[in-house]
Amino acid sequence: GIQVEQSPPDLILQEGANSTLRCNFSDSVNNLQWFHQNPWGQLINLFYIPSGTKQNGRLSATTVATERYSLLYISSSQTTDSGVYFCAVLDTGRRALTFGSGTRLQVQP
Amino acid sequence: DAGVIQSPRHEVTEMGQEVTLRCKPISGHNSLFWYRQTMMRGLELLIYFNNNVPIDDSGMPEDRFSAKMPNASFSTLKIQPSEPRDSAVYFCASSLIGNTIYFGEGSWLTVV
Repeated sequence: GIQVEQSPPDLILQEGANSTLRCNFSDSVNNLQWFHQNPWGQLINLFYIPSGTKQNGRLSATTVATERYSLLYISSSQTTDSGVYFCAVLDTGRRALTFGSGTRLQVQP
Repeated sequence: DAGVIQSPRHEVTEMGQEVTLRCKPISGHNSLFWYRQTMMRGLELLIYFNNNVPIDDSGMPEDRFSAKMPNASFSTLKIQPSEPRDSAVYFCASSLIGNTIYFGEGSWLTVV
């Protein structure tokens, strides 16, 4: 099956800093989503982004499908951004998301 | 929209007991997914349904696990008999086929 690798595995930031999270995948995808799992365990949709660039407030994401990677940008980070960020992809053969292992982000005040 | 609704939110049960987890997908969605999250294995797909029909159950760990979707608004995941290694967070999710997938808040299962 498709492989999804996320980097870095862990990240500690000071409030106000910017960061870039990366997701590499091993095959063509029809769908890519970014999720934030908050400290209470909820999985929150951030972006549905099989290709191109989207922005939502301080967050933006870019997927370059031909090069098999996606990036999540967090600007002016806040403590509420803490949690685990997951990239998940839907490969062309299977119709359910395969998740990466996540990037654990801690934003310190 | 109410979102994906799961119950129970938390369950503690003794080894050997039957566990039933329930899910109500978002109205109008035609795909439903059951995922399990553990520290060791991360988020893994157990089974998913399209239009109430099981499509891929290759992630179901063993025969002790079963899932049903009797109609478009309800699904169950059953573990019988339960074992301590089944302790995990079980997520249900739904979507329109091929579109954004939305997760419920999870059912936190502890088997002692």
